Amino acid sequence: EADIYQTPRYLVIGTGKKITLECSQTMGHDKMYWYQQDPGMELHLIHYSYGVNSTEKGDLSSESTVSRIRTEHFPLTLESARPSHTSQYLCASSVAGARGYGYTFGSGTRLTVV
Amino acid sequence: KNQVEQSPQSLIILEGKNCTLQCNYTVSPFSNLRWYKQDTGRGPVSLTIMTFSENTKSNGRYTATLDADTKQSSLHITASQLSDSASYICVVSPNFGNEKLTFGTGTRLTIIP
Repeated sequence: EADIYQTPRYLVIGTGKKITLECSQTMGHDKMYWYQQDPGMELHLIHYSYGVNSTEKGDLSSESTVSRIRTEHFPLTLESARPSHTSQYLCASSVAGARGYGYTFGSGTRLTVV
Repeated sequence: KNQVEQSPQSLIILEGKNCTLQCNYTVSPFSNLRWYKQDTGRGPVSLTIMTFSENTKSNGRYTATLDADTKQSSLHITASQLSDSASYICVVSPNFGNEKLTFGTGTRLTIIP
């Protein structure tokens, strides 16, 4: 059972709305990540964090923003949702220096912007 | 450009049969290669992680091989079960962090009874 939780699992929202996707982990992991995945396509890193008050942009440009005020919480916010933001968003976490192990993904949030 | 290519894109096999999925990569530098299983609508789950010095690694009915010289890896599934139906994703990393992962698009495996 994964100890990283994403809510909501599914979200349908109108264009222009502000949304926040939640991600929480109970493993005490320092590093957290957000990925975007379109159907049948590869995952793309959009944001990551090394710890509290640390946020970095990933390889894929994204209009979303993130914050890391608490170790266990890494929310992603879209100020004004657009249909192009329709995708699956996956959160992940890992222990610093874990040598690739202990890298855990959440179940994802499927976002549809209409 | 770093790339990970997987084949086939999709595969359908009968329950109980074996299958092998392929992964070719052009990532450089290379540190480790990972195989993940992703059920529909879920996040990926790690199956194996191999460094350049490891040729094979098993996890139950899953056996991954790695040829770092030819930059090829395979994932062999033995005695397939209906629960093996999922996407299998090959991921290559230049280091042991997770900030520079290159993901393949996956092989969609369907097991039929």
